[in-house]
Amino acid sequence: NAGVTQTPKFQVLKTGQSMTLQCAQDMNHNSMYWYRQDPGMGLRLIYYSASEGTTDKGEVPNGYNVSRLNKREFSLRLESAAPSQTSVYFCASSLSSRGYRNTEAFFGQGTRLTVV
Amino acid sequence: DAKTTQPNSMESNEEEPVHLPCNHSTISGTDYIHWYRQLPSQGPEYVIHGLTSNVNNRMASLAIAEDRKSSTLILHRATLRDAAVYYCILRNTTSGTYKYIFGTGTRLKVLA
Repeated sequence: NAGVTQTPKFQVLKTGQSMTLQCAQDMNHNSMYWYRQDPGMGLRLIYYSASEGTTDKGEVPNGYNVSRLNKREFSLRLESAAPSQTSVYFCASSLSSRGYRNTEAFFGQGTRLTVV
Repeated sequence: DAKTTQPNSMESNEEEPVHLPCNHSTISGTDYIHWYRQLPSQGPEYVIHGLTSNVNNRMASLAIAEDRKSSTLILHRATLRDAAVYYCILRNTTSGTYKYIFGTGTRLKVLA
């Protein structure tokens, strides 16, 4: 019963390097989300995908790109990492469809990213 | 997106009830009220949600004011495992975006 799986769990990058954070869910959910959480702060929405084939910007999209590869997978890419992107990144998914508009979200365990 | 206001922190004694308030004066008629909590070093987890009527589940109860401008999450008997940050979220689904926008939350400390 995996739920939402994020890889990697930890990552250290040098400034300017690129990387992709992977997220997969096995619950046949329609909507997926990427958040970042800075120390002592709440979660901020980076990008989300309401359904397969669509992506939209959230509150803090600058410096990130996303790909909804298929219904299961939603990846987050940092093209040129900066120290300001040091954070914990959470992926989430929810059923959310016309027939099930208000369902809960399920979160992964997070990826702790440090940019030096 | 409508905003929520929560106290930064609260304390409770173990085995006692806890009432966590949330103000959402700009709530619209189609906004659902969701509560999530985040245990230390974990991702958030769903607690409860409602629209107009009070709701109960195995984890908690949600009391919604008649004018819907505020709500209260009730933990009936706090345990040490309930120490977490609790987030109150308004979620509007009519636009089809299905976003969850988190605020700063309330950090609950449970005293033994």
